Formats: sequence, C-alpha cells, structure tokens
Amino acid sequence: EVLLVESGGGLVQPGGSLRLSCAASGFTLKTYSINWVRQAPGKGLEWLSYISSSSFTTYYADSVKGRFTISRDNVKDSVYLQMSSLRDEDTAVYYCARQLVVAAAMVNHYYGLDVWGQGTTVTVSS
Amino acid sequence: ESVLTQSPATLSLSPGERATLSCGASQTISNNYLAWYQHKPGLAPRLLIYDASSRPTGIPDRFSGSGSGTDFTLTISRLEPEDFAVYYCQQYGTSPTFGQGTRLEIK
Repeated sequence: EVLLVESGGGLVQPGGSLRLSCAASGFTLKTYSINWVRQAPGKGLEWLSYISSSSFTTYYADSVKGRFTISRDNVKDSVYLQMSSLRDEDTAVYYCARQLVVAAAMVNHYYGLDVWGQGTTVTVSS
Repeated sequence: ESVLTQSPATLSLSPGERATLSCGASQTISNNYLAWYQHKPGLAPRLLIYDASSRPTGIPDRFSGSGSGTDFTLTISRLEPEDFAVYYCQQYGTSPTFGQGTRLEIK
C-alpha cells in the first residue's frame, strides 16, 4: 500500500520550534516532489511549502516564509518541515502530500497531490 | 498568486441529485493546473480531479471536472451517501493555493 506518514507534532510554546517528518511506505519518495499543507481548527486547507525531488527547488507560502524550512533526505526517504518562531495561529493538523513533476523538453509538468498522509497535530500554546 | 473563490460555501442536496461546485480564479491558471479534493473529518484529503478535467485511477466516473482559464467546475452526477464532505479546489505549479472549500451536506 502506498502511504505517507507524518510525525513530530505536539505541544509547543509560542516562539518555540518543532520539526515534522514525512516518511514514505510502498513507493520511493525520492522520485516525487513533496508539499506540506495544514488545516487550522475550523478552517480550510492551506498550502505551506514545496520541495522538488532533488531539493533544488523550494517554495513557501508568505505566512511561513522565513520561519519554516523544508528539506529532504533521499537516503532516509524522508522529508522534513523545520518550524521556528511558532505562533498561536500555527496550531493545525499538518499534512504532507506527494506530487509528481515530470520534466519534458526543458519544461516541468506538474500533477495534483495524489497521496496524502493522515496528518500530525501541532498545538502552539502557553 | 491566484486567489481561488469557491461557491457556494455550503450546498444542501439529497442522494441521487446532481452537485455542481464552482471555483473562480483571480488570474488565469496556466496549463489548467487546477485540482479538486474531497476531505472528510479525520481523513486525508483525496485527489478527485487534476489538470482541471483528468480523473486519477480509482476515482468514480460520477466525478467530473471542467473549465479553463479562470472558471472551473466540479460536477458529481448522482450523489452517493459517501460523497457528502468538504471539497476544495487548488491551483498547483509554482505558487499553489487552495480555495476556501464548499461543504456538501445532506438535505
């Protein structure tokens, strides 16, 4: 079965840091780009960050730019989201999701986020 | 960055009826990089449609997507009980964003 599993969530004080991990099962993570998406309580989905399969390209939402860092270790088949300067409004369920990106004729073709993890909960509170 | 606006916010229908969900973009979405997801409480979101109208393997054909440019639609031809959920559109590529969601509830 093709799965993504997030871990590392928990309770952290405002201003603190936390590192989330995303591990793959049933497929080779290194052939896919990975996105992080969150859902705050009572809110919709919010895209946060993207990393390409080679780590060459990363993108961030304005809401987390400068505070969150996405990275990956293709040897360990894992992707990480390092979160710092956490705020109350970062409280959410955090999902990782894979995305196929195919290079053809020097142009990348992107596909939808087709496999998601079950999410890990981050609570920022004093 | 394109802002996605979904309508209606809530749609109340009965099983067997047809559902039409809309997603409007503030800027043209290049390459029709528009996806639709179904999300139920406590579960992972599920990709229903990508590239505006393509269905991944395993998604029932009662789900269909259409549109291009700035106006997109998800249609569920005959609602099944398991289809009642929240639906999100997303534009992907280099600066992804989600719409705010449409809650599809049982009438």
